[in-house]
Amino acid sequence: EAGVTQFPSHSVIEKGQTVTLRCDPISGHDNLYWYRRVMGKEIKFLLHFVKESKQDESGMPNNRFLAERTGGTYSTLKVQPAELEDSGVYFCASSLRAGGPYNEQFFGPGTRLTVL
Amino acid sequence: TQLLEQSPQFLSIQEGENLTVYCNSSSVFSSLQWYRQEPGEGPVLLVTVVTGGEVKKLKRLTFQFGDARKDSSLHITAAQPGDTGLYLCAGAYAGNMLTFGGGTRLMVKP
Repeated sequence: EAGVTQFPSHSVIEKGQTVTLRCDPISGHDNLYWYRRVMGKEIKFLLHFVKESKQDESGMPNNRFLAERTGGTYSTLKVQPAELEDSGVYFCASSLRAGGPYNEQFFGPGTRLTVL
Repeated sequence: TQLLEQSPQFLSIQEGENLTVYCNSSSVFSSLQWYRQEPGEGPVLLVTVVTGGEVKKLKRLTFQFGDARKDSSLHITAAQPGDTGLYLCAGAYAGNMLTFGGGTRLMVKP
């Protein structure tokens, strides 16, 4: 069974440009999450999809970030316009269940974003 | 805002030694997950603990959940160089989001 995949693995852009990150969850997982780690900090939650609906987007830093999951399969996270502080590693995770204690999330390899 | 404090941040030991990593919070978790992360990869789930006082073993790794479900520990017996990596604890509170600790970077020298 394929795990969570993310594309691209690395992205280097200039401040003000736009970048779109993609995540393909494990097949059959309705729950999809975005997290990120900025330099020297812990991994932090961004948002949670259940199928195509945003269940919780309390971690989204500002309106420069737009996440979509049309059709409830893969998800994209767009940053427009990118700022220097957006640099970091963006992780996607998926889970079969949501809620309750057995919410085991499986992570992708991450996208390393560098904004110059 | 829930915080999860993980200690130590760094640990360098010799092969064969034992070690313990701690994860503490003032909040009660509904569950806690331990992950291991290698450079350039995402966190890989090791174990999930749910019940207060629960102990789970994974070969030489022993995971314990505190009775009050506010803390957890990871104990490695007879560490091997292959255990080298970043260990992360992550707690689930009311919702589905995970709150991560800062991680423990472990180096096991042969």
